[in-house]
This record gives sequence, C-alpha cells and structure tokens, in this order.
Amino acid sequence: DIQMTQSPSSVSASVGDRVTITCRASQGISSWLAWYQQKPGKAPKLLIYAASSLQSGVPSRFSGSGSGTDFTLTISSLQPEDFATYYCQQANSFPPFTFGPGTKVDIK
Amino acid sequence: QVQLVQSGAEVKKPGASVKVSCKASGYTFTSYDINWVRQATGQGLEWMGWMNPNSGNTGYAQKFQGRVTMTRNTSISTAYMELSSLRSEDTAVYYCARDPQRMGYFDYWGQGTLVTVSS
Repeated sequence: DIQMTQSPSSVSASVGDRVTITCRASQGISSWLAWYQQKPGKAPKLLIYAASSLQSGVPSRFSGSGSGTDFTLTISSLQPEDFATYYCQQANSFPPFTFGPGTKVDIK
Repeated sequence: QVQLVQSGAEVKKPGASVKVSCKASGYTFTSYDINWVRQATGQGLEWMGWMNPNSGNTGYAQKFQGRVTMTRNTSISTAYMELSSLRSEDTAVYYCARDPQRMGYFDYWGQGTLVTVSS
C-alpha cells in the first residue's frame, strides 16, 4: 500500500495568513492526488483533485501543486471558515486508496 | 441537487453485522461509482472499498476482505455496505462518497452513519 504523510500535523494561523500544507507519498503517484477539508461533525469536502485542479465551487484562495511524491496545498489568505482539518488522498494505486493523517488548521 | 442520504446510527454487539444504506438523488445513480470510507472518533479517514452501481462490480481493501459486502438496489438508487463480525475497533462514522469520474476522487459525500460496537 502507498503510505501518505502530512506536515505539519497542526498549524496555528491568523485570518489573512498564507498557509501551506505538505503531503508526501511513499512512492510516486504522478498527479493522482486530492485534498479534502473536514470540519467537526461534517463529511469531508473535495477541494483539489489531480494535484492542482480546483473543484467546482471552491474559492480560488485554495491551490494545489506537486507531482511524483511531494505535494502542497496552499491557502493564500486564510478566512474564518477555513479553520478545519485537511487531508490528502492518493488515487494512483488501489485498492486501497489511502489518506494522509490530516493537518489541523486552528486559530492563533 | 446531488445528495447522498445515509441511514441512521446503529449500536451493535461484538460479532454482529451492520448494514448501512446510502440513497442517491439528483443524478443518475448507475453512472458513478460509490465508495465507502470510515473514520473512528478523532482519527483519520480509511477507505474501505468501491462499487459500480451499474454492474455491481466491487473492490475492497484487503483489510476488510471477507467481512465487507457492498451491494445496491438500482430501483431505489440506494447503495449498501454490510460489515460482519463486528469488533470494538469497528466503532466509527461510515461515509458513502461518489466518484464522479472513476478516478478515485470523491465529490459528494453522505452525512455519515455512526456505528457503535459495544457489549
């Protein structure tokens, strides 16, 4: 199975900050990577797919980059509604699809 | 609008089985794969398997092979996930999720179903 890691595990930030989250795959996955946002008690929400494609309806302050084993999710200007946990997920090799452990973004 | 509506919370004893339903609306049910993902309290996301609602074909994570069965009823646009031989470690919220392009990305999710396994 492909293992996914994320860093940092948590980050404290202020409204307006630029936030960057990194995801690494244990082997190359080309651009087969998605990012999800999850708020407490809610289902995950797809933000980015194919490493850098913005899902319909997602604000443009979210962007994704990377290929191979290293990927990045960037929030260009953090908004109050962005405080949540973010997960990466590889879609290159299945079964199984695998998720990263998550990065919690909270208020500084 | 696209919706996936799941059945309600369940409490089961160890060794029992649970069957969770996921009713789709707002799109053609047979056109998009349904995946199941679970999340233990305070933990991350764990993919369990997928099903093609048109063919009924399935694929399961090795961890759940022999214990999970994914089925569907196309006449009522509903997918099901049954997990047997439940143990306490199966206590989690179970989600169904739609794969819009059969590429492994999940654009719509159900609201989740809490399954509690306790004696």
